[in-house]
Amino acid sequence: AQTVTQSQPEMSVQEAETVTLSCTYDTSESDYYLFWYKQPPSRQMILVIRQEAYKQQNATENRFSVNFQKAAKSFSLKISDSQLGDAAMYFCAYRYTGTASKLTFGTGTRLQVTL
Amino acid sequence: EAQVTQNPRYLITVTGKKLTVTCSQNMNHEYMSWYRQDPGLGLRQIYYSMNVEVTDKGDVPEGYKVSRKEKRNFPLILESPSPNQTSLYFCASSFTSSGTQYFGPGTRLLVL
Repeated sequence: AQTVTQSQPEMSVQEAETVTLSCTYDTSESDYYLFWYKQPPSRQMILVIRQEAYKQQNATENRFSVNFQKAAKSFSLKISDSQLGDAAMYFCAYRYTGTASKLTFGTGTRLQVTL
Repeated sequence: EAQVTQNPRYLITVTGKKLTVTCSQNMNHEYMSWYRQDPGLGLRQIYYSMNVEVTDKGDVPEGYKVSRKEKRNFPLILESPSPNQTSLYFCASSFTSSGTQYFGPGTRLLVL
């Protein structure tokens, strides 16, 4: 079974600084997707970024980028120029393309942003 | 506006009293899922549906039922709720099995 591990329950970053959230996963599949979701205090699940496993190029979305290391099964999220609105719980998630609609989530990392 | 809606958003009930949480999407998505979120466990899939009348179990299906009679709706049914089903529930949908899943706002359920 696939598993997703987020080893940092909590992280803190100062405003305008850069922070990296870690995620590792375990799978025997070669074709899959990886996601980072943000959950602010409103509890809404918001997609931050998505990476297709077949793509070597790391995905980027404005201040958010990933470091995808397929061989190491690592998928970290880098947030640049952190803002107060980035404070939230961040979940890493895995989805095998051959299994309909199943997302496997990590346990989450709570990010605090300080002034 | 493209969205996934859930009702109710908050629900307090008692053990054994049947309840239904509705989920509806207006994006013509084929795939829909239910998840529950518990502290320290992340989100876990309860059931999913690949299309009308096609549903299957996720990781934690015990105590839940679902149905998919229409493409847009995917209700979650708790026939006899128990306190261990107290949780935050999310419905999600995607156009394809590999597409990005869009989440509803969540339903916070407390079973006394």
